[in-house]
Amino acid sequence: EPEVTQTPSHQVTQMGQEVILRCVPISNHLYFYWYRQILGQKVEFLVSFYNNEISEKSEIFDDQFSVERPDGSNFTLKIRSTKLEDSAMYFCASNPNSDISRYTFGSGTRLTVV
Amino acid sequence: QQPVQSPQAVILREGEDAVINCSSSKALYSVHWYRQKHGEAPVFLMILLKGGEQKGHEKISASFNEKKQQSSLYLTASQLSYSGTYFCGTEANYGQNFVFGPGTRLSVLP
Repeated sequence: EPEVTQTPSHQVTQMGQEVILRCVPISNHLYFYWYRQILGQKVEFLVSFYNNEISEKSEIFDDQFSVERPDGSNFTLKIRSTKLEDSAMYFCASNPNSDISRYTFGSGTRLTVV
Repeated sequence: QQPVQSPQAVILREGEDAVINCSSSKALYSVHWYRQKHGEAPVFLMILLKGGEQKGHEKISASFNEKKQQSSLYLTASQLSYSGTYFCGTEANYGQNFVFGPGTRLSVLP
């Protein structure tokens, strides 16, 4: 079954540094998402992306965050000037353009800010 | 707006049944159910669209009451592998504003 691939699986960064989390969605999917899950807490919606632009974003997704689809396959989440509270698991998901949506999640990137 | 889930946690013995509820204060296009094992990504279980349908997946089934904007997940004859956190997710419209509920932690004991 097609998968959503995320790299790296674990990233450790110093506070104030910029990080880029990478995702390769399923090739024929057109909707892309980022979610965040702080350890032991709920899964939180960050942003959705369609037709090369942001379609929805949450309050969490402030100016510190940006997303990009630099080529036909990658979907990236950039976090500028990371803070300790950005430590979390970040999940990418994609959704086909069909009558019934079905979100497929990647295995996640664990971001640790020290 | 985040859907509400109940209960927060359930502890079962193998073979017992459980029901997890999910409700929203606004009209929904769909309700999704996911299971997440510790340290892993959420895994899709099923989707229910408005129309009040019921679906099944192995010994796990779900219903969606469109009028009440409520969905229930039914786990029958639970197995050890059912342990995990169950999230409902809701969409107000297709592909938009998908929000997870807070999760229900299910523990199945031998």
